[in-house]
This record gives sequence, structure tokens and C-alpha cells, in this order.
Amino acid sequence: DSGVTQTPKHLITATGQRVTLRCSPRSGDLSVYWYQQSLDQGLQFLIQYYNGEERAKGNILERFSAQQFPDLHSELNLSSLELGDSALYFCASSVGDRVYTFGSGTRLTVV
Amino acid sequence: AQKITQTQPGMFVQEKEAVTLDCTYDTSDPSYGLFWYKQPSSGEMIFLIYQGSYDQQNATEGRYSLNFQKARKSANLVISASQLGDSAMYFCAMREGKDSNYQLIWGAGTKLIIKP
Repeated sequence: DSGVTQTPKHLITATGQRVTLRCSPRSGDLSVYWYQQSLDQGLQFLIQYYNGEERAKGNILERFSAQQFPDLHSELNLSSLELGDSALYFCASSVGDRVYTFGSGTRLTVV
Repeated sequence: AQKITQTQPGMFVQEKEAVTLDCTYDTSDPSYGLFWYKQPSSGEMIFLIYQGSYDQQNATEGRYSLNFQKARKSANLVISASQLGDSAMYFCAMREGKDSNYQLIWGAGTKLIIKP
């Protein structure tokens, strides 16, 4: 157990639907990062939150949004889903810049 | 331009041999960090080793060592005495940024298969 919890582990949904992925960071870590891993794009950074505030945005689509709550857990919302959104979505947390701990990921399949 | 380049899409290595996975990077930031992660077929991302740009010595973690050549912008992972359980995807990543904006930039990965 890495200390970063992601739920659900698997998600199958239809095109056009909306889903929410949840991440609880490792205890004490203030930063949460979301990454998308797909076969054609590889691993891509989506967004970072630090202590509740958005800190950096990567290649995140407008259909996607995220937030970090006061208890530091984070949610990634994906809406108007398309087949191409099928991917493994990772959450990672860190304190400082040397240790990044990843959750086991949520595998999203859009059918 | 690619910031992290892993030139070996796949490698086959005999069990117990040492293996070197290549990684080159590109950055103009004097402060950066380099990471290697292992991703087995089960999908989780496992941290292996870290090298900071100002670290004087090459990083080592058990059977893993990082051959850091700053002038060449290379950060190769060396796995000594490979084991069957080392079969996995290996990713090199770089941390740029400052002021707590520490997102990682990833290479395309190398698929390592250890042969018995």
C-alpha cells in the first residue's frame, strides 16, 4: 500500500456520461497531481493542487475539472466522455520535490 | 521537442545479467530532479530512484543505480543482477518547476523482459 488511495479501481461508462475519480493523498502530503496514461499519448500531467489551491495545469481538457477539498482529498471530474478518454488515471501526492507517491490508478473504459 | 527521451522501446535481458535503461533529458532549468519508475503489468507506478541536479554523487537504491552524466544530460538506470520480477515498463521522468509547481514530465518508457 503506497498510502495514496484511488477509487474506484475500474470504471466502465458510456460515451457522453460524467464520472468522478477520487484520490486520498498520503498522510501529510499537501500536493496532489493527476496524470493520464493512454496508449497513444503516454503519461501526461493533467493538473496539480497544493493545499486546496490549483497550482499548475497541464494538458487537461475543458471537459475535465478537479478540486482539492479541505481534508486534502481530491476529485477529478470527467464529463461528456468520449471513447478517447479511456485511459488509466493516476493520482500522486508529494511533500516537497523529491518524493512522489502514486496511487494504483483508476482504469476508465468508455464504451 | 521531447524533454525526456527513452530510446529503447523494448529490451530482452538474460536473468542475472545487469541491464542499463537509457534516458536523456532536456531542460534549461538549473534545478531539476530525475526519477525512475517501474510499472508492472498490474499497472501501479512504483518509485525506484531519484537524482537531484545538484546531487554530487550518483543515486543508488539497492540493485538500482542511476548513472547521472549532467553534461550529456543523461540519467541512465542500471539494474544489477536482474530478476524475473524486474520484467515491467520503466519510465524516466523529470521534475521541473518551482514554487511548489512540481509536475513530472515523462518519457515514453522501455519495456524490459527478463528471460529465464
